[in-house]
Amino acid sequence: NAGVMQNPRHLVRRRGQEARLRCSPMKGHSHVYWYRQLPEEGLKFMVYLQKENIIDESGMPKERFSAEFPKEGPSILRIQQVVRGDSAAYFCASSPRGTQDNEQFFGPGTRLTVL
Amino acid sequence: AQSVTQLDSQVPVFEEAPVELRCNYSSSVSVYLFWYVQYPNQGLQLLLKYLSGSTLVESINGFEAEFNKSQTSFHLRKPSVHISDTAEYFCAVSLRDYKLSFGAGTTVTVRA
Repeated sequence: NAGVMQNPRHLVRRRGQEARLRCSPMKGHSHVYWYRQLPEEGLKFMVYLQKENIIDESGMPKERFSAEFPKEGPSILRIQQVVRGDSAAYFCASSPRGTQDNEQFFGPGTRLTVL
Repeated sequence: AQSVTQLDSQVPVFEEAPVELRCNYSSSVSVYLFWYVQYPNQGLQLLLKYLSGSTLVESINGFEAEFNKSQTSFHLRKPSVHISDTAEYFCAVSLRDYKLSFGAGTTVTVRA
């Protein structure tokens, strides 16, 4: 059973470009979570999605950031018009259920660098 | 809002020596506590967790952590480390929901 897959592992963008980060959850998992780790800081919750639904996006910046988890295919975190402050590691996690004590399985992360 | 502080960013340790990684949290309500480990080029893996009950929790590979409510701490210990324990360790807390808040991480480097 493959773990959570994220691609690309490293992404370089120039200011103003778009960044698309992909996350394929573990087989059988229908709950996906995105976290961001800024330099020298801990991971911070961004958004929680189930198939075709955004459950909680309270950690998402109000502008330029969006996330989706379509019926088919991976979850996508999209950042429009990237700025240098978006440079960070973005981690995706998945779980089979959304209960509070349910273990979240993490991917290896995508390192985004904005030039 | 809750927050997590990992007091050491780097911990070098010799093989077979003990190690302690310190974690303090702040929250005005009851929390769940977790330790995750990240090996190079891999995702974070759950090492152990405290939800309720006994304040001492153990992992299958010899780590243990103790929940201390009065000191709001959840320090991680291992009496004898191996080279394979070289990794980054993250302490995390949740307000008994799905949102995990992480500390900045502690890099453990085990030397022979």
